[in-house]
Amino acid sequence: DTEVTQTPKHLVMGMTNKKSLKCEQHMGHRAMYWYKQKAKKPPELMFVYSYEKLSINESVPSRFSPECPNSSLLNLHLHALQPEDSALYLCASSPDGDTQYFGPGTRLTVL
Amino acid sequence: RKEVEQDPGPFNVPEGATVAFNCTYSNSASQSFFWYRQDCRKEPKLLMSVYSSGNEDGRFTAQLNRASQYISLLIRDSKLSDSATYLCVVNLAGGYQKVTFGIGTKLQVIP
Repeated sequence: DTEVTQTPKHLVMGMTNKKSLKCEQHMGHRAMYWYKQKAKKPPELMFVYSYEKLSINESVPSRFSPECPNSSLLNLHLHALQPEDSALYLCASSPDGDTQYFGPGTRLTVL
Repeated sequence: RKEVEQDPGPFNVPEGATVAFNCTYSNSASQSFFWYRQDCRKEPKLLMSVYSSGNEDGRFTAQLNRASQYISLLIRDSKLSDSATYLCVVNLAGGYQKVTFGIGTKLQVIP
């Protein structure tokens, strides 16, 4: 089973709201990732967690805050976002740091 | 020069045709190579890993040419359902590091 789940599927939020995106996998993968994807562009890496530790932060603004409570869960906390942050947010996991399996994504709209 | 380059297309081909995409990468030390498929407004899905010896999965064949630093994807007997964007993905460093996505090649199979 190569399933990564993400909730919610869609999210609309105002610029003053605080919300969280959730990602879950039960494949025992030790690397988990957050990506942002805008229309007609490839996914853009935001964060990498390896063995539950943040190993890569691609200079993401602090209004995005990742959290890895355990090896199966990855959250992305959102606060004071801008309309240009509207995008598809993808979570992925990997057993080996190479092959990545993506969740269906959360489509975020910031008003 | 971009780290991973692809022709964005679109490639418009008739059903039953054979189509090939190439992807070039800049770092000769790159370790791992993949093709992903992404349908409109969906997540990327792993199509196949690419090995030096080449690999085949049904109508799909992937090749790696380390000397010329490119990978290729050949699709035989194209189906309407093959219409998608094909993303070339390269792990430049190996291990639990970021992978780099090409911009993707859009394929449209027409009846």
